[in-house]
Amino acid sequence: GQQVMQIPQYQHVQEGEDFTTYCNSSTTLSNIQWYKQRPGGHPVFLIQLVKSGEVKKQKRLTFQFGEAKKNSSLHITATQTTDVGTYFCAGQGSNYKLTFGKGTLLTVNP
Amino acid sequence: DADVTQTPRNRITKTGKRIMLECSQTKGHDRMYWYRQDPGLGLRLIYYSFDVKDINKGEISDGYSVSRQAQAKFSLSLESAIPNQTALYFCATSRLAGGTDTQYFGPGTRLTVL
Repeated sequence: GQQVMQIPQYQHVQEGEDFTTYCNSSTTLSNIQWYKQRPGGHPVFLIQLVKSGEVKKQKRLTFQFGEAKKNSSLHITATQTTDVGTYFCAGQGSNYKLTFGKGTLLTVNP
Repeated sequence: DADVTQTPRNRITKTGKRIMLECSQTKGHDRMYWYRQDPGLGLRLIYYSFDVKDINKGEISDGYSVSRQAQAKFSLSLESAIPNQTALYFCATSRLAGGTDTQYFGPGTRLTVL
C-alpha cells in the first residue's frame, strides 16, 4: 500500500532559525496536504498542493510539491515560539484516501 | 474544529472493560475516520467510513469495532480493553470535493487502560 515517509522525526531550533521538514511517498500522489498539531491540540489543516512543482506561501511558511508529485517540503523562515508543534504531511493517492506521515515535532528555544 | 465533537474527552478504564468512544459532526460530511496517536508513531488509521453503509478497516483495526449510526455519528468500541490501547484517539471527517479530501479533526479522547 501507499506509504508516506516524513523526516526528521524531531527538530529543535533556536528562535529565528529556519526549519524544514520533508515528505516522500512510495507512489505518485494526486495531492499532498499539510497539517499542524499544537501541543495538546488536534491536527489542523494548513494547505493543499495539487500541481507538479507547485509552491505556496503562507507568511513565513513555504510549501513545495515535487515535479514527480512524490515528495514535498515545508520550510519555515525565522521560526517563532508560536511555530512549535507537530507538522504532518498527508498524501492522497488515486483511491482518494489520505495517508499521513509520522510527523515532525518542532520545538523552538526562545 | 468545533463542528466535530468527541465524547468522552478523557477516560480511564481497566483491562477487560468494554469502552465506547463517540464522535459527532455538524459539518454535513459523508466521510468519517478514527485514528489513534502514539508518541513517535504519528496518526494511525483504525477504521473509516465513506457513508452510512460503508465501513472499512484501517491499518490497525484488531481489537476495535465501529458503528456508523447516522451520517453525523461514528462510534469506536474496544470490546475488551488492554493496556496497549492506551493512546490519544481522534475522530475526523471529510467530504470529497473537487477530487480532494481535506480532513477535520475532533479534539481527541485520551484513553488510559490500566
